[in-house]
Amino acid sequence: EDKVVQSPLSLVVHEGDTVTLNCSYEVTNFRSLLWYKQEKKAPTFLFMLTSSGIEKKSGRLSSILDKKELFSILNITATQTGDSAIYLCAVDVYGYSNYQLIWGAGTKLIIKP
Amino acid sequence: EPEVTQTPSHQVTQMGQEVILRCVPISNHLYFYWYRQILGQKVEFLVSFYNNEISEKSEIFDDQFSVERPDGSNFTLKIRSTKLEDSAMYFCASSAGTSGRRYEQYFGPGTRLTVT
Repeated sequence: EDKVVQSPLSLVVHEGDTVTLNCSYEVTNFRSLLWYKQEKKAPTFLFMLTSSGIEKKSGRLSSILDKKELFSILNITATQTGDSAIYLCAVDVYGYSNYQLIWGAGTKLIIKP
Repeated sequence: EPEVTQTPSHQVTQMGQEVILRCVPISNHLYFYWYRQILGQKVEFLVSFYNNEISEKSEIFDDQFSVERPDGSNFTLKIRSTKLEDSAMYFCASSAGTSGRRYEQYFGPGTRLTVT
């Protein structure tokens, strides 16, 4: 059975700290891995990763994929209270339709002032 | 910036009633999805829709559920005879048809459905 596992489940840090969120997967026919940020309601898209070793960066957020070890990390540097959210990892696989993602349970990140 | 919109934001209904959740995807997007998230649990895929037909559906999406694109802009999820366990946040999402951006799904704000 395909699965996506995120760790830790929750994390509390102080403003200014750097955090690393983990996403590991066991799927057949991996196609891409996506990171989303979920605040009060809808997930918002952060990154899509398809190739190993290539870092995607957006401001203080960055992410990298390791297809050999089957995981991805999401780094947030100089955290701010506005980074508090649930961070979701999802994997798209061949074999399912083109249009279905397998979701992790999320990491709840709390940034204290 | 274009966004996915959903109405209503919150709906309360009695068990056994039918509900229709409405979504307006981003206008030039071609792929549409419904997801649900029961409070405190994972986001779960329900159904995807392309070219006016269902592309894929999950085990959750049984005969109780149906989707429709009644016109060029709306995308609806109908739940017939609601059950208590249908209480959840329902998210609509859409993605573009261009290669490489198909999986960049944009989510609406969600409709919180409460079945009493």
